[in-house]
Amino acid sequence: QKEVEQNSGPLSVPEGAIASLNCTYSDRVSQSFFWYRQYSGKSPELIMSIYSNGDKEDGRFTAQLNKASQYVSLLIRDSQPSDSATYLCAVSREYGNKLVFGAGTILRVKS
Amino acid sequence: SQTIHQWPATLVQPVGSPLSLECTVEGTSNPNLYWYRQAAGRGLQLLFYSVGIGQISSEVPQNLSASRPQDRQFILSSKKLLLSDSGFYLCAWSRSLGFISGNTIYFGEGSWLTVV
Repeated sequence: QKEVEQNSGPLSVPEGAIASLNCTYSDRVSQSFFWYRQYSGKSPELIMSIYSNGDKEDGRFTAQLNKASQYVSLLIRDSQPSDSATYLCAVSREYGNKLVFGAGTILRVKS
Repeated sequence: SQTIHQWPATLVQPVGSPLSLECTVEGTSNPNLYWYRQAAGRGLQLLFYSVGIGQISSEVPQNLSASRPQDRQFILSSKKLLLSDSGFYLCAWSRSLGFISGNTIYFGEGSWLTVV
């Protein structure tokens, strides 16, 4: 079992729709969770971080965390073509800062 | 503000040749430093991380090595490149806040390595 699993996609949504990206992790002691966006040929950039169960909203982005189910998701409202990218889920253990990344989900927003 | 730079951005190297990728961080002291590799169509693999000068931890056995000669400088090297070393190499940093949650990792621009 991979430590961090994501559906590779591609996930295709129409412009203006809600895109839902999902991630599961295997290590129960994980405490920090991150979503990065990576455009083709570029380095990943941080979108959101979440540490507590529940929802965290930042603009059009909402991260959701459920530690009991070992599940974290990212919702993108009012999706734009510029949101088309690969979204990486990353998880960090309580002790130490090493992030373990999922393979990423390709998102395509069609205008 | 903090910035991270790595170079070169792109390089094509023959099999068996040496490699040196360099990364520097500005605007912070005693950062944690990381080297990741991303093979084509795959996720990020942590290669090395460092919590201080001369302190290097290797995550994956391979023909690569890392060094941290100065507080904000991290170097990835190889004596003899293999075809399988091709990929996108990313240097990254985080604040050395120990075990506090929320210690985000920030990436440099990346270096594309093609071994031919």
